Amino acid sequence: GDSVTQMEGPVTLSEEAFLTINCTYTATGYPSLFWYVQYPGEGLQLLLKATKADDKGSNKGFEATYRKETTSFHLEKGSVQVSDSAVYFCALSSYNQGGKLIFGQGTELSVKP
Amino acid sequence: SQTIHQWPATLVQPVGSPLSLECTVEGTSNPNLYWYRQAAGRGLQLLFYSVGIGQISSEVPQNLSASRPQDRQFILSSKKLLLSDSGFYLCAWSVASGAYEQYFGPGTRLTVT
Repeated sequence: GDSVTQMEGPVTLSEEAFLTINCTYTATGYPSLFWYVQYPGEGLQLLLKATKADDKGSNKGFEATYRKETTSFHLEKGSVQVSDSAVYFCALSSYNQGGKLIFGQGTELSVKP
Repeated sequence: SQTIHQWPATLVQPVGSPLSLECTVEGTSNPNLYWYRQAAGRGLQLLFYSVGIGQISSEVPQNLSASRPQDRQFILSSKKLLLSDSGFYLCAWSVASGAYEQYFGPGTRLTVT
């Protein structure tokens, strides 16, 4: 079945460092891909999305490119801030899942000043 | 714009007591609605989803039930809580079945004592 695999956390970075969180997926057909962010004690917020191969989603300095050939959707940011400390979830949705999201296990990011 | 509400925000209940968590969505019609649980750690578990009034699909058999009495109202219930029901409960909505993103509410923190 469809699945999403994220890199293990926690990830600890210094402020202004470059961030990459790896995400790979397995899916039949052509899924849409998403990154969600969860701040402590809050619900999930949609960070960015991509609906077809080679699409680049971007928001708040974060970017991710839908790579069909490598089945990946890695999250990147050029310069992280302390306020980016959160848990990041990669997810996919496809028509054969009937609208359900398949989530990765989440990656905790901690940014130190 | 669309908004999603959950209440209560926090709840402490004794083992064996009943439970009712409510979720409402504003600004959209006929949404798909979802209940998730996030236990200690970060993983998200889909509990129930609904594509219309009175239509509930259960993903995991357990001590909980869900109902959708109105188009934009989704209720999570239990007759007798267990310690293992403790967790962070998230409601979400999406436009329709298919490869679409979901939007999450702020969550309810449930502690069963």
